[in-house]
Amino acid sequence: EAQVTQNPRYLITVTGKKLTVTCSQNMNHEYMSWYRQDPGLGLRQIYYSMNVEVTDKGDVPEGYKVSRKEKRNFPLILESPSPNQTSLYFCASSFLATTYEQYFGPGTRLTVT
Amino acid sequence: AQTVTQSQPEMSVQEAETVTLSCTYDTSESDYYLFWYKQPPSRQMILVIRQEAYKQQNATENRFSVNFQKAAKSFSLKISDSQLGDAAMYFCAYRSALNTGTASKLTFGTGTRLQVTL
Repeated sequence: EAQVTQNPRYLITVTGKKLTVTCSQNMNHEYMSWYRQDPGLGLRQIYYSMNVEVTDKGDVPEGYKVSRKEKRNFPLILESPSPNQTSLYFCASSFLATTYEQYFGPGTRLTVT
Repeated sequence: AQTVTQSQPEMSVQEAETVTLSCTYDTSESDYYLFWYKQPPSRQMILVIRQEAYKQQNATENRFSVNFQKAAKSFSLKISDSQLGDAAMYFCAYRSALNTGTASKLTFGTGTRLQVTL
């Protein structure tokens, strides 16, 4: 089954404790992206990747890191989480051409206390 | 930069009735894509319908249709014969047709929460 998976689905952590949210897709997509969803703000892009070893900042990259060492995986790293990073996070992927649909993962609910 | 505006934070519709969700956007580009996504309580983002800006014909998917007014930069979603399962948050989104990294992102509106009543 074609899908984007994220882990964990729920995470409660404390300020400053490094964490990684994993994202994996099995559709051989070149393009992968992370979004965060906050009430009243919709979804905003954090980082994206056009292919292996090619990543760039989105609209709200502060406090986040990413890597793309393999085509299927695109982890989101919070090296020192803060309460303002409490949010719902989505990973998405697609083929590079913009005519193709972006597929979303199931979301990760992160709470930083 | 492109912006997407959904001016209705919440809407309500009775089962079997028709409801229209509004969306406006701002862009200087001539070629782009517009989407409506549904987000039920499960939080999964589900693509409902998409519209290519170069197509004049409005997209339809079963009970879902859009009214795309390119000159007015308006993209509303009409849900006919509403069902309880249609209750969800609906997001309007824009994507450029340019095939570059920055342009490939989806720009979302703030969402409209649709309630379906008996």
